[in-house]
Amino acid sequence: DTGVSQDPRHKITKRGQNVTFRCDPISEHNRLYWYRQTLGQGPEFLTYFQNEAQLEKSRLLSDRFSAERPKGSFSTLEIQRTEQGDSAMYLCASSLTLGRGPNTGELFFGEGSRLTVL
Amino acid sequence: AQKVTQAQTEISVVEKEDVTLDCVYETRDTTYYLFWYKQPPSGELVFLIRRNSFDEQNEISGRYSWNFQKSTSSFNFTITASQVVDSAVYFCALSEAPGRDKIIFGKGTRLHILP
Repeated sequence: DTGVSQDPRHKITKRGQNVTFRCDPISEHNRLYWYRQTLGQGPEFLTYFQNEAQLEKSRLLSDRFSAERPKGSFSTLEIQRTEQGDSAMYLCASSLTLGRGPNTGELFFGEGSRLTVL
Repeated sequence: AQKVTQAQTEISVVEKEDVTLDCVYETRDTTYYLFWYKQPPSGELVFLIRRNSFDEQNEISGRYSWNFQKSTSSFNFTITASQVVDSAVYFCALSEAPGRDKIIFGKGTRLHILP
């Protein structure tokens, strides 16, 4: 088991460019979460999937942000027309949860993808 | 709305001292889950403990212990005989149930264990 992997680990881009991050969860995990973390803050929830269905999106996720999990395995998070305020660490986590009930399982986090927007 | 407050931004203690990290939460639900996560300098968040709202029994795991008190909406974390490897940022988190599945994190407490 290789854990949750994220790619790229670091991305530097110019304002206005689009960026995409990929997350590969632990293979048998059905839930996948995206969080954003800025310096000195805790992770902020962005969205989560159960299998391929996106079940919740935070108000933080503006229309420039889109996340997909097309086959219920890996997920992508795309940010269009990046702004300097998008600079942050984007964290992916996965868990195994039975049914559609609440997530009582522990989240396994990846090492994150750090985005710097110049 | 749910909220997690970690009033201690940063704590420094000398190795082998005991240290307690405070966590106060707010929720309207009677069923919820509380968590502690550790984020070492390497950056990857590591799960430490989960506690549901119906289980107020305190828990001990090695040098770690957790004190859950519903009456004061607190879920405090104590490290006994601290070690340098305990240096990290520690996050308290809350998940409401059912229907609201996201886990909300506090801002974290940065713990420095000095040799």
